Amino acid sequence: AQSVTQLGSHVSVSEGALVLLRCNYSSSVPPYLFWYVQYPNQGLQLLLKYTTGATLVKGINGFEAEFKKSETSFHLTKPSAHMSDAAEYFCAVTTHAGNMLTFGGGTRLMVKP
Amino acid sequence: DAGVIQSPRHEVTEMGQEVTLRCKPISGHNSLFWYRQTMMRGLELLIYFNNNVPIDDSGMPEDRFSAKMPNASFSTLKIQPSEPRDSAVYFCASSLGRPPEAFFGQGTRLTVV
Repeated sequence: AQSVTQLGSHVSVSEGALVLLRCNYSSSVPPYLFWYVQYPNQGLQLLLKYTTGATLVKGINGFEAEFKKSETSFHLTKPSAHMSDAAEYFCAVTTHAGNMLTFGGGTRLMVKP
Repeated sequence: DAGVIQSPRHEVTEMGQEVTLRCKPISGHNSLFWYRQTMMRGLELLIYFNNNVPIDDSGMPEDRFSAKMPNASFSTLKIQPSEPRDSAVYFCASSLGRPPEAFFGQGTRLTVV
């Protein structure tokens, strides 16, 4: 079985500051890892995913995440926050043999002007 | 493609009434998921279909909930009788192959009064 822990249910940054959203996973086999974003009153939208190969993954809207096997982490970063980044972000994991995603509890990102 | 389509977007019903939520997955996708999202419990997987067959329904809260997928292009989630604690946003998602990147619908916001 796999699980996901997102540290910090709420993160607040100033516009232009670094965004760092933390995700740690638990999986007994090599994982697929995902970050999704949810804007108010919307469904979840894929930001980026890690499958195999390069451990630094770039996604949409300037976000990227790095898979660190030794730390079982897949933290999401963006060098400079924009007001439009305010949303809820979900980390998810599955295995190469699985079809179901296991989601973390989500982190609400607030961006201050 | 129009993406995953859910209807209705909003539903308000009285306690004890039957509620049916509908989902049209992305054409060609072979996996379909129903999720429920609440503030208290976050995003919960209710049931997962593969090739129209229910594979895992361990997340269905109780017998009042049922889901069907009569064909590859349509699924329903039914609650009978509905209770106020069923109030939530219900999402449908679909995916194809590996990795199982899930595409989400806009959700149905259910309010049971």
